[in-house]
Amino acid sequence: DIQMTQSPSSLSASVGDRVTITCQASQPISNFLNWYQQKPGKAPKVLIYDASDLETGVPSRFSGSGSGTDFTFTISSLQPEDVATYYCHQYAGLPLTFGGGTKVDLK
Amino acid sequence: EVYLVESGGGLVKPGGSLRLSCEASGLNFRNAWMIWVRQAPGKGLEWVGRIKSKDDGEPKDYNAPVKGRFIMSRDDSKSTLYLQMNSLKTEDTAVYYCTTGLRYFAHWGQGTLVTVSS
Repeated sequence: DIQMTQSPSSLSASVGDRVTITCQASQPISNFLNWYQQKPGKAPKVLIYDASDLETGVPSRFSGSGSGTDFTFTISSLQPEDVATYYCHQYAGLPLTFGGGTKVDLK
Repeated sequence: EVYLVESGGGLVKPGGSLRLSCEASGLNFRNAWMIWVRQAPGKGLEWVGRIKSKDDGEPKDYNAPVKGRFIMSRDDSKSTLYLQMNSLKTEDTAVYYCTTGLRYFAHWGQGTLVTVSS
């Protein structure tokens, strides 16, 4: 199985701050990585697919980068509505796996 | 607009069975790869399995924790995905989501809660 190690597991930041989350795959996965946002009681929502492509309708303050084993997800200017848990997800091999999640809240 | 609506969740005793359904609308269900993802209370996301379209041979892939106990199926005439869950364990307690996509999952249902407890 491809393990996805996501860090940090939680963070607190102020409105306007730049937020960065990393995800490391246990083996190379090219760019077969997505990022999801999940708010409490809701289903996940895809923000970034194929490591760096922004899903239609998602604000441009969200971005992703990386290839191989190391990936980064960035919120350039944190907004109150961004409070959520974020997950990376690899689809390079079965079983599909998710990172452990990063809970983002406001300082 | 794509809608996915899960149903069938509930309370079941360990060793019992339950069948979940996911009714889809707004997409070409016949050609869609359908996936189940679950989330235990307070935990992260876990891929359960996927079923490809009939045109792709309708192969099914399962994650190890459910392989041999869970069975996915689909009825394209009803645009409905099913998850037959047998020999349920307490660790199967989770919200079960259906979703769809080849590389990423753009559409999700609201989830249905399965609680396995004596």
